[in-house]
Amino acid sequence: DAGITQSPRHKVTETGTPVTLRCHQTENHRYMYWYRQDPGHGLRLIHYSYGVKDTDKGEVSDGYSVSRSKTEDFLLTLESATSSQTSVYFCAISVPAGTPSSYNEQFFGPGTRLTVL
Amino acid sequence: AQSVAQPEDQVNVAEGNPLTVKCTYSVSGNPYLFWYVQYPNRGLQFLLKYITGDNLVKGSYGFEAEFNKSQTSFHLKKPSALVSDSALYFCAVRYDYKLSFGAGTTVTVRA
Repeated sequence: DAGITQSPRHKVTETGTPVTLRCHQTENHRYMYWYRQDPGHGLRLIHYSYGVKDTDKGEVSDGYSVSRSKTEDFLLTLESATSSQTSVYFCAISVPAGTPSSYNEQFFGPGTRLTVL
Repeated sequence: AQSVAQPEDQVNVAEGNPLTVKCTYSVSGNPYLFWYVQYPNRGLQFLLKYITGDNLVKGSYGFEAEFNKSQTSFHLKKPSALVSDSALYFCAVRYDYKLSFGAGTTVTVRA
């Protein structure tokens, strides 16, 4: 899993509560990503980061915010969870161009299964 | 916008038979294409990529993919499928520093 951990791995919460998911990497890669996986939709990008305090929106960012205060940690927050945010959430890092055996392919963490009741 | 499509939700093959998982792409400029595999209750694993050069790309676990510019396709292939190849497969295309994924194809290999 390329030194990527996610916590928690499973969470059940109630509608309207805030939720924070954490992604931690051990290799100081610049780019980090948050995706959600839903049947029939593949993976959809929520937010991504290209450095400490540098973040941008993906295609499904409504209802989510992110923060990156350290290179190794990328947090995803659901401000007020809704049932439509029940999903599996994956964090990924991007190996930079110029590395001899890579060209921006991404490596994924193990995922967090979130259920919003 | 860069995008990929996986026209088959499911592919079923017998063990030992050839396996093909289809992917077509739509990009402006040169395509950078990837295949990933997801085993049950696991994260995605990188299989292979096409950046430039040979149209036949070899990857992990005996998989290969054929890039066809005229047909805008990047099909994943394995000459002899194993039961352990049963998984969910995703095609993806790079744009900026992001990836856009297809909806995925579930492969079932029967013994």
